[in-house]
Amino acid sequence: AQKVTQAQTEISVVEKEDVTLDCVYETRDTTYYLFWYKQPPSGELVFLIRRNSFDEQNEISGRYSWNFQKSTSSFNFTITASQVVDSAVYFCALSGYSGAGSYQLTFGKGTKLSVIP
Amino acid sequence: DGGITQSPKYLFRKEGQNVTLSCEQNLNHDAMYWYRQDPGQGLRLIYYSQIVNDFQKGDIAEGYSVSREKKESFPLTVTSAQKNPTAFYLCATCPGDTTYEQYFGPGTRLTVT
Repeated sequence: AQKVTQAQTEISVVEKEDVTLDCVYETRDTTYYLFWYKQPPSGELVFLIRRNSFDEQNEISGRYSWNFQKSTSSFNFTITASQVVDSAVYFCALSGYSGAGSYQLTFGKGTKLSVIP
Repeated sequence: DGGITQSPKYLFRKEGQNVTLSCEQNLNHDAMYWYRQDPGQGLRLIYYSQIVNDFQKGDIAEGYSVSREKKESFPLTVTSAQKNPTAFYLCATCPGDTTYEQYFGPGTRLTVT
């Protein structure tokens, strides 16, 4: 069975601080996919990034960066110079092979980030 | 505009009544999903459909039913058999299987009293 753990339930930071959201996963598969989604107060989940297990290169997109480390089964998300608009719940998700040619998607429980002005 | 619509945003029902949540998409995606979200919880999969006229149970299908008669539409019925139906329901689509990113609708918050 696969599992995604986001140990930080809630985080508060002051605007302009950097913040890292942790994601640790468990899977027996060698081929899998990792995702991050943002859920603002409006409720709709917004896709942020998709990474496959063979690509360990870190990625930067503006103030967002992701650190994928297979050795520690982690896919952490860092927001640099946080802004109030970053306040949201962030979900990490894992898609792993579940047999019979299909993949199963598992979400973590989410980390609620509050950025204080 | 391309996207996913869910209506209504808020829905109130009395216990014992069936209620149907709407999900429509014009992204031309084959796969559609229904999730349930409870406070402080992640998303749990209720049902999914990879193609028209076919759907599969997810992790928490009991008390729910779906249909997929058209590619654009994937309505979810919350039946009276669902013991704790009050929750936030999210519909999603995907251009392929779950190895691809999913696109979510705005959600429907259902309250049953």
